[in-house]
Amino acid sequence: DGGITQSPKYLFRKEGQNVTLSCEQNLNHDAMYWYRQDPGQGLRLIYYSQIVNDFQKGDIAEGYSVSREKKESFPLTVTSAQKNPTAFYLCASSVGLAVYNEQFFGPGTRLTVL
Amino acid sequence: GDSVTQMEGPVTLSEEAFLTINCTYTATGYPSLFWYVQYPGEGLQLLLKATKADDKGSNKGFEATYRKETTSFHLEKGSVQVSDSAVYFCASGSGNTGKLIFGQGTTLQVKP
Repeated sequence: DGGITQSPKYLFRKEGQNVTLSCEQNLNHDAMYWYRQDPGQGLRLIYYSQIVNDFQKGDIAEGYSVSREKKESFPLTVTSAQKNPTAFYLCASSVGLAVYNEQFFGPGTRLTVL
Repeated sequence: GDSVTQMEGPVTLSEEAFLTINCTYTATGYPSLFWYVQYPGEGLQLLLKATKADDKGSNKGFEATYRKETTSFHLEKGSVQVSDSAVYFCASGSGNTGKLIFGQGTTLQVKP
């Protein structure tokens, strides 16, 4: 079955540590996205990528970094510079960047900073 | 900047009741509009969409009509089921960045 996988489902981090969230898709989609979801709020875009080796900052990129070395993979690193990293992180992909293309979401990773 | 506003929840209904979740948007130009649903512990799934004024999106008994004159995209369903209990997000998007602007989400709880 085609889809998006995110791992781990739950992640705990000590303050001052970097942590990397995995996102893999086998839908052959060109575009991939990372969103952050906080309780009672909508999703906010962190980074997005249209093609391999290219990515753009979203609305809340500070304290995060990404890479896109393979079409199917778009890992997100939450760095120690991110002041409030505890949140639910969602990865998505779509055929292309045009907004009418449906974005397919993974199941998410819940990050908690201890 | 662009924004999306949804009615605050939670919304609690009995099974077979009529559902309306209000959504209004502000945008330059004419965005595409979406409703996504999130079941507990899961990612979002696209429920329906409309790409131009007066379009009606529909899926699984849910409907929403793109109203340019009132900048609205209200979600409706004639008869809800317990399995519809979830968080519903309204979103707008335009241009070629794939960027979606999400509302804050509305929690729906349907009781038997």
